Amino acid sequence: KQEVTQIPAALSVPEGENLVLNCSFTDSAIYNLQWFRQDPGKGLTSLLLIQSSQREQTSGRLNASLDKSSGRSTLYIAASQPGDSATYLCAVGTYNQGGKLIFGQGTELSVKP
Amino acid sequence: EAGVAQSPRYKIIEKRQSVAFWCNPISGHATLYWYQQILGQGPKLLIQFQNNGVVDDSQLPKDRFSAERLKGVDSTLKIQPAKLEDSAVYLCASSADRTGGYTFGSGTRLTVV
Repeated sequence: KQEVTQIPAALSVPEGENLVLNCSFTDSAIYNLQWFRQDPGKGLTSLLLIQSSQREQTSGRLNASLDKSSGRSTLYIAASQPGDSATYLCAVGTYNQGGKLIFGQGTELSVKP
Repeated sequence: EAGVAQSPRYKIIEKRQSVAFWCNPISGHATLYWYQQILGQGPKLLIQFQNNGVVDDSQLPKDRFSAERLKGVDSTLKIQPAKLEDSAVYLCASSADRTGGYTFGSGTRLTVV
């Protein structure tokens, strides 16, 4: 059974810092891995989708990497801004679970001005 | 491209009452998902549809929850009777196929009092 863990659970940084959010998963037989952002009381916004054959994806100040063999992904945020404050969720689609996305519990990020 | 539409945005009901949520996925997306997100946790899959057939409902509490997707488009999730522990955000998502990225709706926040 796939399990997804995100560390840390919460993170507070000053504006301008570069930061890394971590995601680990137990079953490496995955279709893909997706990073989402969730603002308080809102739905999920897709940030980056990495297919199992890919090593990384980039969008603006965001870069996500995938290492299937070690069961890890990182989300790198460059030059953080107060508007980046949100909960970041990692989710994996796993072959032996019908491809459904299994989520981690999220990292709550606070960027202080 | 229009996103995933959900309604209502908020609902407050008393325990033992019934409630229904509606979802309209992205046009052409064959796969539709209902997730439950309890405060402070990652979303958990309740049910997955492929067109109008159920692929996975292993975590759906079938004694009180039901869902349908008529004509392979819109979907309705119902809870009857509701319990206090059903208080959560109910998220609908769709994808073109199992390996594609998910697009989520804004969610319905349910409070059972």
